[in-house]
Amino acid sequence: QQQVKQSPQSLIVQKGGIPIINCAYENTAFDYFPWYQQFPGKGPALLIAIRPDVSEKKEGRFTISFNKSAKQFSLHIMDSQPGDSATYFCAASNLGGTSYGKLTFGQGTILTVHP
Amino acid sequence: GAVVSQHPSRVICKSGTSVKIECRSLDFQATTMFWYRQFPKQSLMLMATSNEGSKATYEQGVEKDKFLINHASLTLSTLTVTSAHPEDSSFYICSARDLDRVGEKLFFGSGTQLSVL
Repeated sequence: QQQVKQSPQSLIVQKGGIPIINCAYENTAFDYFPWYQQFPGKGPALLIAIRPDVSEKKEGRFTISFNKSAKQFSLHIMDSQPGDSATYFCAASNLGGTSYGKLTFGQGTILTVHP
Repeated sequence: GAVVSQHPSRVICKSGTSVKIECRSLDFQATTMFWYRQFPKQSLMLMATSNEGSKATYEQGVEKDKFLINHASLTLSTLTVTSAHPEDSSFYICSARDLDRVGEKLFFGSGTQLSVL
């Protein structure tokens, strides 16, 4: 019940394309859903996060879509660039009390954006 | 912005030795820090929650005698891999939370690549 399932495992798009990465969760206690970007040999960096009271959130070229009833959320990257080539992780957490910051990560998606 | 510093970034050691990894919150006090482990091309797996002034809470399957965590101050948590073996080779990442901060409250270190020969 603690798992977060992420797909696809890898994704290749052309510059300007819109890669979409999907995640699904089971634990209904999760109420915080961040997306992280990780480059090789580096720690993850927060891209964007959403709470379940909204269905969509945009920050720059990144958009999260959230479907509470389906327990699914996805990341869309608009106008993708070669510099966006990285591994992307979705995660989930329960912000209540001592659990804040304890993240369950998805399996990761390796994104390659060709010039 | 908030910064979490992790040191060293890379360490190579011989089998049987112990290695200490430091995680520091540079501009805030972190009563709670988290330690993750990441194998190549895999996800981050939470190992333990480090609490200032008290014992760490380990996730199921993580050997607490193998991975010693000390959180002796509000800005420093250390992870010591004791009697390291090649199977302990991995990327270790810490994170720290700042509940008093407006906006994003969770920050990650840059990770430590441990290679055990």
